[in-house]
Amino acid sequence: DGGITQSPKYLFRKEGQNVTLSCEQNLNHDAMYWYRQDPGQGLRLIYYSQIVNDFQKGDIAEGYSVSREKKESFPLTVTSAQKNPTAFYLCASSIGGALTQQFFGPGTRLTVL
Amino acid sequence: AQTVTQSQPEMSVQEAETVTLSCTYDTSENNYYLFWYKQPPSRQMILVIRQEAYKQQNATENRFSVNFQKAAKSFSLKISDSQLGDTAMYFCAFMKHVEYGGSQGNLIFGKGTKLSVKP
Repeated sequence: DGGITQSPKYLFRKEGQNVTLSCEQNLNHDAMYWYRQDPGQGLRLIYYSQIVNDFQKGDIAEGYSVSREKKESFPLTVTSAQKNPTAFYLCASSIGGALTQQFFGPGTRLTVL
Repeated sequence: AQTVTQSQPEMSVQEAETVTLSCTYDTSENNYYLFWYKQPPSRQMILVIRQEAYKQQNATENRFSVNFQKAAKSFSLKISDSQLGDTAMYFCAFMKHVEYGGSQGNLIFGKGTKLSVKP
């Protein structure tokens, strides 16, 4: 089945630790995105990548880092510099460019204790 | 910068009735796309309907339709014959058009409307 997978579904970490969230897609999409969702808020863009080995900061990139070494993978690292990392994280992908529909993964709930 | 506003934090509707969710947006772009996404309790984001700004005809998908008013920058979602499975958060989203190879195609989301369908 084609789709986007995110793992794990729930993640717990101690304050001060870096943590990496996984996002994989087998849709052959060029573009991939990371969003953060907080209660009472819409989704906010953290980072996006239009092509392998290239990525850009979104609206709330501080305290996060990404890599795009393979087309199908776009991991997100939440660093200790992120002041309030507890949130729901959603990964998405799209064909890119003028074709705009984004497909979303099931999300990862990160809780920092 | 573009902004998206959903003025109804919560709404409820009786099963089989019709409900309309409101969305307004602000942009200086002339060519863009608008979306309604549904997020059920599973939290999976599901695309409900999409509208291209250059199209005057309102988009429809089965029981879902939009009222797109470009001059007023309004994009409301109408759900007909509401079903219990329509209970979810609904997000309105904006994306400006980019040519292939352009550098930005990210979505700008509103804060959402929580819709409850009551039996």
